[in-house]
Amino acid sequence: GDSVTQMEGPVTLSEEAFLTINCTYTATGYPSLFWYVQYPGEGLQLLLKATKADDKGSNKGFEATYRKETTSFHLEKGSVQVSDSAVYFCAATGYSSASKIIFGSGTRLSIRP
Amino acid sequence: DGGITQSPKYLFRKEGQNVTLSCEQNLNHDAMYWYRQDPGQGLRLIYYSQIVNDFQKGDIAEGYSVSREKKESFPLTVTSAQKNPTAFYLCATRDAGQVYSNQPQHFGDGTRLSIL
Repeated sequence: GDSVTQMEGPVTLSEEAFLTINCTYTATGYPSLFWYVQYPGEGLQLLLKATKADDKGSNKGFEATYRKETTSFHLEKGSVQVSDSAVYFCAATGYSSASKIIFGSGTRLSIRP
Repeated sequence: DGGITQSPKYLFRKEGQNVTLSCEQNLNHDAMYWYRQDPGQGLRLIYYSQIVNDFQKGDIAEGYSVSREKKESFPLTVTSAQKNPTAFYLCATRDAGQVYSNQPQHFGDGTRLSIL
């Protein structure tokens, strides 16, 4: 079945470090891919998306490229800030059920000043 | 998301009591979802609805019930049969019904349910 796998956390970095959070997917067809961010006590916010191969989604300094050949959608940021501390979820549209989105398990990111 | 309102923000349940969590949306989205999130964990799908008057069980539907009488509303009832209801509950919507869509889900701010 469809699935999304992302790197386990927690990930702890110093401010201004380079960030990569890995995400791979298994899905029939050509899913759309998403990254969401969740701050403490809040719901999930859409961070960026890509709907076809080689698309690059970007927002607030974060980027992710839809790599069909490696079935990946890794999240990157060149210089993280303390305010980026949150939980990040990778997600993909499901093919077998039209309405469902498949979420990864989430990666907690902590940034040290 | 401003278009999805979950209430209340905090809710307490006594033993043997049913409680209902509200989710209202003004995004005109066909599909609505309920997720449960335990501390430090990911999302688990409880129920979802692709269209008014229809809904499907998710992965952990036991002890929960829903209704979808209006497009704007998708309330979740946590029944006394749910023995461990303490969690953070998230409602989401999506501009997708029964056909394939590449649209993302949009989330409310959540309701935190605790046992008294």
